[in-house]
Amino acid sequence: QVHLVQSGSELKKPGASVKLSCKASGYSFTDYSVNWVRQAPGQGPEWMGWINTNTGNPTYAQGFTGRFVLSLDTSVSTAYLQISSLKAEDTAIYYCARWDQVLYAFDIWGQGTMVTVSS
Amino acid sequence: EIVLTQSPGTLSLSPGERATLSCRASQSLSSGYLAWYQQKPGQAPRLLMYDTSSRATGIPDRFSGSGSGTDFTLTISRLEPEDFAVYYCQQFAGSPPTFGHGTKVEIK
Repeated sequence: QVHLVQSGSELKKPGASVKLSCKASGYSFTDYSVNWVRQAPGQGPEWMGWINTNTGNPTYAQGFTGRFVLSLDTSVSTAYLQISSLKAEDTAIYYCARWDQVLYAFDIWGQGTMVTVSS
Repeated sequence: EIVLTQSPGTLSLSPGERATLSCRASQSLSSGYLAWYQQKPGQAPRLLMYDTSSRATGIPDRFSGSGSGTDFTLTISRLEPEDFAVYYCQQFAGSPPTFGHGTKVEIK
């Protein structure tokens, strides 16, 4: 079965950093790109960017440059999202999602990681 | 950036009724690359429809999608108890991909 399994909830203080993981199983990791989506409390999803799992090249949405870094470890079929200089407004659920280029949609989603930034 | 406006914000219906959800784009999605997702509390979004009108794997045929240009619709022909959730449209015709703000389908 195809799965994306994300790391557990994080509680961080403002100014700290966090690195979230998204481990793929049940398919060839490098056949599909991994996208990241943020969902703030009570809000709709917001696309953050994607990473090419063949080249490791990331692309970031406007508003997610500078403090946000996407990376990979293809040896363990895992994508990462690192956020530095955390702010209270980074409090959200972060999802990874697989992009299917035939369906032109995010067909598989991780369960999400809740990041809470509070002093 | 293409803005997606979903309406209504909340739809209050009874099981067995028909639900019609609207998604309007700020510019034409000429490619038809519009998807719909269902999200239940505490869960990740789940793909329902892609390419405007194609059902994803395992999605029952009471769900249907239609539309073109700037106006798209998700229809649930007869609401089942498990269909009460929030529904989001998402476009892939332009970069960046964008989501609507969602329509909540609640039990009346």
